[in-house]
Amino acid sequence: GAVVSQHPSRVICKSGTSVKIECRSLDFQATTMFWYRQFPKQSLMLMATSNEGSKATYEQGVEKDKFLINHASLTLSTLTVTSAHPEDSSFYICSAWGGAPYNEQFFGPGTRLTVL
Amino acid sequence: AQSVAQPEDQVNVAEGNPLTVKCTYSVSGNPYLFWYVQYPNRGLQFLLKYITGDNLVKGSYGFEAEFNKSQTSFHLKKPSALVSDSALYFCAVSPTSGTYKYIFGTGTRLKVLA
Repeated sequence: GAVVSQHPSRVICKSGTSVKIECRSLDFQATTMFWYRQFPKQSLMLMATSNEGSKATYEQGVEKDKFLINHASLTLSTLTVTSAHPEDSSFYICSAWGGAPYNEQFFGPGTRLTVL
Repeated sequence: AQSVAQPEDQVNVAEGNPLTVKCTYSVSGNPYLFWYVQYPNRGLQFLLKYITGDNLVKGSYGFEAEFNKSQTSFHLKKPSALVSDSALYFCAVSPTSGTYKYIFGTGTRLKVLA
């Protein structure tokens, strides 16, 4: 199957700083990527759909100015958490749509963000 | 509204016994169906998927799932559980509407007891 990487795997930052998380499709091109947030012992919550070369589509209740998404190439999408606060601490997972013949999303290993 | 239900928060099973993790869905059309497993602090690992064809799908690590259209269910099964199968399992459905989005179930924690 196709491989998706995320960097960094974990990050600790101070309140008020911004953090960038990268999501890369390693062996395929992904016109569509997704960003999820997962709270402890809970399911994945879709934050936004990222389309290469266009603006991301955010789910209801997700602050687009807080969570900036850029999908500048067919293999890279980035999520920037701006002015992070402790309540932004979470596990962030990206995925990439593999298209035909896969017809499925491939998930990255996740990034643990801790805001002090 | 479209939804996916995993009615059990936790399933306990003895090692060597068969296991079932349930999933039902309410999605129009002919959706794609998936099972993923998640270990602590890790991303999702793909187990299996149903797109079309045979209702019994075989996947990774000895898991299989049966698609039942009339009951709109896609239960995950394994004939003989291992302690290492203990993890969090997610059912996901992708409506074939072109958005490629997944609707996730709430997850079921599987505990296999030695």
